Amino acid sequence: GNSVTQMEGPVTLSEEAFLTINCTYTATGYPSLFWYVQYPGEGLQLLLKATKADDKGSNKGFEATYRKETTSFHLEKGSVQVSDSAVYFCALSDRDTDKLIFGTGTRLQVFP
Amino acid sequence: DAGVIQSPRHEVTEMGQEVTLRCKPISGHNSLFWYRQTMMRGLELLIYFNNNVPIDDSGMPEDRFSAKMPNASFSTLKIQPSEPRDSAVYFCASSLRGAGEKLFFGSGTQLSVL
Repeated sequence: GNSVTQMEGPVTLSEEAFLTINCTYTATGYPSLFWYVQYPGEGLQLLLKATKADDKGSNKGFEATYRKETTSFHLEKGSVQVSDSAVYFCALSDRDTDKLIFGTGTRLQVFP
Repeated sequence: DAGVIQSPRHEVTEMGQEVTLRCKPISGHNSLFWYRQTMMRGLELLIYFNNNVPIDDSGMPEDRFSAKMPNASFSTLKIQPSEPRDSAVYFCASSLRGAGEKLFFGSGTQLSVL
């Protein structure tokens, strides 16, 4: 079945460092791909999405490109801030079942 | 709009007791999802509704769990009887037209079953 695999965390970075969080997926058909972010004590919020191959989603300095050939949707940011500390979830939407399938989440900790 | 509203924020109960979690989706959204989050299993989809009708409840762990959506503005997730392994954060989310659209999550209910 469809699934999402993320790199395990925590990812620990200093402020202004470059961030990559890897995400790969297994799916039949052509799912939409998402990154959600969860700040402490809150629910998840949509960070960015891409709906077809080669699309790039971007928001708040974060970017991810839908790579069909490598079945990946890696999250990147050029310069992280302390306020980016959160748990990041990669997800795909299964068009047939209309479900949103999440990865296990990657915790990011940014220190000043 | 106030967003997705869940209650209670925290629930502590004893094993064997009935627990009811509540959710008010965003007005106008026609899809509602219940998720459970634990350290061991991450985020699991329990059940989702479309236009108040349960579409897929294959994620509901067992018969002790039940969910209802009597109208477009209210849903409940009930656990009876509760067990310590049910301890988790339960999230409700809503969206327009299903999972392909942006999901709006509530702040969750932290459930502890002693």
